[in-house]
Amino acid sequence: AQKITQTQPGMFVQEKEAVTLDCTYDTSDPSYGLFWYKQPSSGEMIFLIYQGSYDQQNATEGRYSLNFQKARKSANLVISASQLGDSAMYFCAMREAPVDYKLSFGAGTTVTVRA
Amino acid sequence: ETGVTQSPTHLIKTRGQQVTLRCSSQSGHNTVSWYQQALGQGPQFIFQYYREEENGRGNFPPRFSGLQFPNYSSELNVNALELDDSALYLCASSLGTGENGNTIYFGEGSWLTVV
Repeated sequence: AQKITQTQPGMFVQEKEAVTLDCTYDTSDPSYGLFWYKQPSSGEMIFLIYQGSYDQQNATEGRYSLNFQKARKSANLVISASQLGDSAMYFCAMREAPVDYKLSFGAGTTVTVRA
Repeated sequence: ETGVTQSPTHLIKTRGQQVTLRCSSQSGHNTVSWYQQALGQGPQFIFQYYREEENGRGNFPPRFSGLQFPNYSSELNVNALELDDSALYLCASSLGTGENGNTIYFGEGSWLTVV
């Protein structure tokens, strides 16, 4: 079964607007962590934001925020005030405990920011 | 800059050959993981090393093997290369597992083409 589902293969967003990237996950473990990464065409995976399953508040990191809805098993990434440099592939990933040594990734969403 | 460096960045090998990819983890990070990312897909976990011991493995055949050295750098070896091994190979490092492993940094990857 797919652990991470990203249903949006590609999205276009206007510069300076906000964009929401969807991510749903599947786990029966009560303790898990959710990650978002950005991957430009160069290939490097850039860590953006982390949300723990027991965290009470939604994670935020600068222009990135994570809309964590535990009951719905969703962890959507919101990018505010999009910039041209935000054009990239974005991956949602999950790490489960106690088997917490690996990240399970979704298929990714390509974001293209238009001037 | 994540502090994780990988080499080589690009290489071409012939089917049946062997390849070694290298990774230097961020200073102080004792856990290194390797991922394979085929074109257009999310990364797939290969294995992880913690303090020089393999402590987790994904669904990859034994011809994928690795090492971690006392300075926590790591190697990924692939024997008997197949065309389907063509992919981006990503190395990730973190400080242990559990809560300490919530910050996971990736290198820029090694692009392997098998012809």
